[in-house]
Amino acid sequence: EAGVTQFPSHSVIEKGQTVTLRCDPISGHDNLYWYRRVMGKEIKFLLHFVKESKQDESGMPNNRFLAERTGGTYSTLKVQPAELEDSGVYFCASSQDLGYNSPLHFGNGTRLTVT
Amino acid sequence: DAKTTQPPSMDCAEGRAANLPCNHSTISGNEYVYWYRQIHSQGPQYIIHGLKNNETNEMASLIITEDRKSSTLILPHATLRDTAVYYCIVRVDQAGTALIFGKGTTLSVSS
Repeated sequence: EAGVTQFPSHSVIEKGQTVTLRCDPISGHDNLYWYRRVMGKEIKFLLHFVKESKQDESGMPNNRFLAERTGGTYSTLKVQPAELEDSGVYFCASSQDLGYNSPLHFGNGTRLTVT
Repeated sequence: DAKTTQPPSMDCAEGRAANLPCNHSTISGNEYVYWYRQIHSQGPQYIIHGLKNNETNEMASLIITEDRKSSTLILPHATLRDTAVYYCIVRVDQAGTALIFGKGTTLSVSS
């Protein structure tokens, strides 16, 4: 079984540019989550999809961040325009929808550097 | 979700058991205890979870006290590859609930 895959693994952009991160969850996993870790800080929850619907986006920092999951398969997280403080590692995770909690499985993240 | 308290760092000799403690004194009856770890430059990795009974899998054992206010993750024979940040997380038993990460314990395994 393929794990959660994220693309790209690294991205370096200039302040003001746009970047789109992609996440492919484990096949059959309806729950998809985005997290990020900025330098020196804890891993922070950003948002949660159930299939194509946003279940919880309370962790999204501001309206420069847009997450989508069209068709309920892969997801994208767009940052536009990027700011210096957006630098960090962005993780995606997925889990099965079993009617009760099932473990989250994480990808290896996208390291974003905004210069 | 209830908060957890973990020591910031621990050391362990290779081949010995690593016992990582976690306090969760305000845990509710419908909250599970989850353990994850993050090895440098990788994504968080699921280890084990439990409600009130002790649990064991191929990676580790989870011991939960009878009052459920604390737990211990045991890596029976630590190796250098177990060096990582370990996170103890309590999570309500509701489908799709996100994990909330704290600071975790940095475990250093040395030869």
